[in-house]
Amino acid sequence: AQSVTQLDSHVSVSEGTPVLLRCNYSSSYSPSLFWYVQHPNKGLQLLLKYTSAATLVKGINGFEAEFKKSETSFHLTKPSAHMSDAAEYFCVVTFTSGTYKYIFGTGTRLKVLA
Amino acid sequence: DTGVSQDPRHKITKRGQNVTFRCDPISEHNRLYWYRQTLGQGPEFLTYFQNEAQLEKSRLLSDRFSAERPKGSFSTLEIQRTEQGDSAMYLCASSLPGQSGSYNEQFFGPGTRLTVL
Repeated sequence: AQSVTQLDSHVSVSEGTPVLLRCNYSSSYSPSLFWYVQHPNKGLQLLLKYTSAATLVKGINGFEAEFKKSETSFHLTKPSAHMSDAAEYFCVVTFTSGTYKYIFGTGTRLKVLA
Repeated sequence: DTGVSQDPRHKITKRGQNVTFRCDPISEHNRLYWYRQTLGQGPEFLTYFQNEAQLEKSRLLSDRFSAERPKGSFSTLEIQRTEQGDSAMYLCASSLPGQSGSYNEQFFGPGTRLTVL
């Protein structure tokens, strides 16, 4: 069965410091993995996606994620947080056949302190 | 705008009333999904359409819920005899046909926030 665990429900960082949002997955075969961001009263926006082409994935707004099969992890990072990064972040695993439905993590709320 | 649209954006209803939500996917997308997101949680899968065929329904989708996609374009989600526990954000997403072994990016609408009093 597919599942995703986001290890932190809340993360607070100071503006200009690095961001690390942790995600571990469980999958019976090679997964496709995504990170989405949800700003208040806005829709879900794709940050980046892992599709087996490269283990280090670059996304929008300076975010990156590294797929580590041995650790079953797909952590999201950014070198320097900006106030506009404050939002809810979701790690997603999906099937690569059948319905392709998404399995979401419970989310991590990122707070950026001035 | 060529994104996924949902209507209404907000709905307040009294317990026991019926409500219907509409989703218009991106025009060339044949796959359509409904998800439900409650406060403090990630979205949960409800149901999936490929063209007009409803191919999978979650156990979360009780008998009071019904979804249709009559012509393979827009979709409706109806909740009959609403309960306070139905209060949530209902999200619609669409995607292109998937290729086995490949990823399948879904594009999300803004959601319909339902409040049941």
